[in-house]
Amino acid sequence: QKEVEQNSGPLSVPEGAIASLNCTYSDRGSQSFFWYRQYSGKSPELIMFIYSNGDKEDGRFTAQLNKASQYVSLLIRDSQPSDSATYLCAVIHEKLTFGTGTRLTIIP
Amino acid sequence: EAGVAQSPRYKIIEKRQSVAFWCNPISGHATLYWYQQILGQGPKLLIQFQNNGVVDDSQLPKDRFSAERLKGVDSTLKIQPAKLEDSAVYLCASSPSYNEQFFGPGTRLTVL
Repeated sequence: QKEVEQNSGPLSVPEGAIASLNCTYSDRGSQSFFWYRQYSGKSPELIMFIYSNGDKEDGRFTAQLNKASQYVSLLIRDSQPSDSATYLCAVIHEKLTFGTGTRLTIIP
Repeated sequence: EAGVAQSPRYKIIEKRQSVAFWCNPISGHATLYWYQQILGQGPKLLIQFQNNGVVDDSQLPKDRFSAERLKGVDSTLKIQPAKLEDSAVYLCASSPSYNEQFFGPGTRLTVL
């Protein structure tokens, strides 16, 4: 079982709709959870992090964490074409471990 | 604030050759990371430095890869000899704390 699993996509969402990205992790001792955005040919950039169960909102982005079910999700409201990118979920237990990423395409 | 600098941005070598990458972290960041990102995959941690010391190098192929961080600032990652499967983007990141990491632009390595 992979340590951090994501659906590779591609996930296509109409402009203005909500994009929902999901991630599951295997290590119950994981403490910190991150979402990175990576445009094609560019390096990852941090967009959200969450440590506690529940929701964390930052502008159009909401991260959701459920430690009992071992999943973390990212919601993007009012999706824009500029949101088209690969979204990487990352989890810290002893080191930062990335998932393979979900490719998101926003359709104008 | 200047970001993480890396050079070169691109490198093409033949298998069995050697190559070195350089990274200059954000000023004041004590922690420095090297990642390997193969096309279609997430970054994989190769080595983590805290100041001059190595914190984690469990996934570094030590028979061919080496890394050092002199004076707790700049770092170099070397591959000798390179294999075809080393073709990837090598990302350097630095961090002011345990959690938040800032990535450099990466070095795209092609091994022929």
